[in-house]
Amino acid sequence: GIQVEQSPPDLILQEGANSTLRCNFSDSVNNLQWFHQNPWGQLINLFYIPSGTKQNGRLSATTVATERYSLLYISSSQTTDSGVYFCAVGISNFGNEKLTFGTGTRLTIIP
Amino acid sequence: NAGVTQTPKFRILKIGQSMTLQCTQDMNHNYMYWYRQDPGMGLKLIYYSVGAGITDKGEVPNGYNVSRSTTEDFPLRLELAAPSQTSVYFCASSYGGPKGDNEQFFGPGTRLTVL
Repeated sequence: GIQVEQSPPDLILQEGANSTLRCNFSDSVNNLQWFHQNPWGQLINLFYIPSGTKQNGRLSATTVATERYSLLYISSSQTTDSGVYFCAVGISNFGNEKLTFGTGTRLTIIP
Repeated sequence: NAGVTQTPKFRILKIGQSMTLQCTQDMNHNYMYWYRQDPGMGLKLIYYSVGAGITDKGEVPNGYNVSRSTTEDFPLRLELAAPSQTSVYFCASSYGGPKGDNEQFFGPGTRLTVL
């Protein structure tokens, strides 16, 4: 199956700092999503980005499908950004819909 | 839209008991999924469904059963609960289709403890 590796596993930053989270995957995919799991356990969709670049406020993401990696950028971090960030990838063919999750990056923002 | 809803939010079971986790989506999505998340880990797929009456196994299906009689509902059944099934269970849905938008949306989760 597809292997998904996220780095770094843990990241501690001061409020206002910028960060880059990386997701490497082992096979061609046509589904890639970034999620934020907040301290209450809720999974929040950040980006659906099988390729290209998207931006949403202070967050942006880039996926280079040919090189099998994706990056999540967080600028001007806030304490509410704390939590675990998951990358999940999949091959979306009819009848075979499965997301494989990485083990996440735990981000802690210190006031 | 309420999106994906799950009940109950929390449950404690004794070993050998059974229960059904409920999942409902109101987005008219074709595909639905059940995942489990163990502490400190990412999510793993238990079962999924591409439409009413069609289900298939994911990565960790042992000890679980599913059914899909309507587009909206996808219940997960635990028979003979075991401590290894202590986990947080997430239901998700997506539009699906050969070239459709397959972004998955998740419910709030059910935290299950088996003692």
